[in-house]
Amino acid sequence: GAVVSQHPSRVICKSGTSVKIECRSLDFQATTMFWYRQFPKKSLMLMATSNEGSKATYEQGVEKDKFLINHASLTLSTLTVTSAHPEDSSFYICSASVSSLKKETQYFGPGTRLLVL
Amino acid sequence: DAKTTQPPSMDCAEGRAANLPCNHSTISGNEYVYWYRQIHSQGPQYIIHGLKNNETNEMASLIITEDRKSSTLILPHATLRDTAVYYCIVRATGFQKLVFGTGTRLLVSP
Repeated sequence: GAVVSQHPSRVICKSGTSVKIECRSLDFQATTMFWYRQFPKKSLMLMATSNEGSKATYEQGVEKDKFLINHASLTLSTLTVTSAHPEDSSFYICSASVSSLKKETQYFGPGTRLLVL
Repeated sequence: DAKTTQPPSMDCAEGRAANLPCNHSTISGNEYVYWYRQIHSQGPQYIIHGLKNNETNEMASLIITEDRKSSTLILPHATLRDTAVYYCIVRATGFQKLVFGTGTRLLVSP
């Protein structure tokens, strides 16, 4: 299957600082990427849909000014958590859509664990 | 909201087949059934998906009932590494988002 990477794999930051997470599609181009958040023992919750060259579409309840998404190229989307607070500590996961001959599938990155102190 | 119903947990002996059920009684004609799994502290891993015909790949088989209201994921010879949370998701194609439910936690034991 297609490979999606994330960087960093884990990050610890102080409250009030901003953190940028990168999501890359390594062997394919992705016009659409998705960002999810997962709290311990919970399922994944979609935060936003990232479209190359246009503004992201955020899910209800997700603050667009707090979680800045940029999809500047067909292989890279970034999520910036601005003015992070302890409640933003979570597991952030991206995914990218790829189409093959007859099917479209989403592949996920390994995730980024954020801890805000 | 998730459109599927799965048992919260299942157990399976190593080497035996694991059959994971999923109900999706409100599935639309253009929606596919996708299966992903998530091993602890990792991103979800794509397993298989299908529309109405049964599908098989190197990881698993997907059996979809004729009325498409339910499906079963089959891991033919479960190993300890198959211990994970398995998610059944219905979704139309066209780069649409995936909505995750609570999934089934499969525990494979020696």
